[in-house]
Amino acid sequence: GESVGLHLPTLSVQEGDNSIINCAYSNSASDYFIWYKQESGKGPQFIIDIRSNMDKRQGQRVTVLLNKTVKHLSLQIAATQPGDSAVYFCAEKGNAGNMLTFGGGTRLMVKP
Amino acid sequence: GAGVSQSPRYKVAKRGQDVALRCDPISGHVSLFWYQQALGQGPEFLTYFQNEAQLDKSGLPSDRFFAERPEGSVSTLKIQRTQQEDSAVYLCASSRDGNYGYTFGSGTRLTVV
Repeated sequence: GESVGLHLPTLSVQEGDNSIINCAYSNSASDYFIWYKQESGKGPQFIIDIRSNMDKRQGQRVTVLLNKTVKHLSLQIAATQPGDSAVYFCAEKGNAGNMLTFGGGTRLMVKP
Repeated sequence: GAGVSQSPRYKVAKRGQDVALRCDPISGHVSLFWYQQALGQGPEFLTYFQNEAQLDKSGLPSDRFFAERPEGSVSTLKIQRTQQEDSAVYLCASSRDGNYGYTFGSGTRLTVV
């Protein structure tokens, strides 16, 4: 399959460690944020989302933190597994439209 | 259906040829989006439908790109007189209400030779 993210920033972690992927978003009026995981040859897969009236949301092994003051979003993955290896994108939705604007992506590599 | 379905999965077109890419959204999803993803980059917005109405086409790169959703379900993205710079993955996403919960398909990889 095709390769996604040939020249993206890369985070390399050991299996079992926690991972933190960061994203700076651009629009202070954005009211909804999503983290997506994308494996080679596949479309973006929803991981977790958060609305702007929250600063933290937890899912299964994942946590998203939102800091509106500095327009920063982070994704924390607990006990990272080889299956978590992929490119991760943050996306934001402004309050003036319905489209998502994506960040540049981070490649996560998990070493067994 | 259970997910967003796109076809064909891969398309190779000669420069100047017209292509049509299909998207079957999740049943009952009102909103449908098309995105273009160049190699190594995040998806970029092309156009947005709510039911059969095309509410935003500001991301379409040129008038060679045309999208439709005549019955408010299946959508087709058409590219006329393809150029090499059109080579990319074309992703479709749908949402029940257009505000939250966007689900993406696997995309169509277009290669223009």
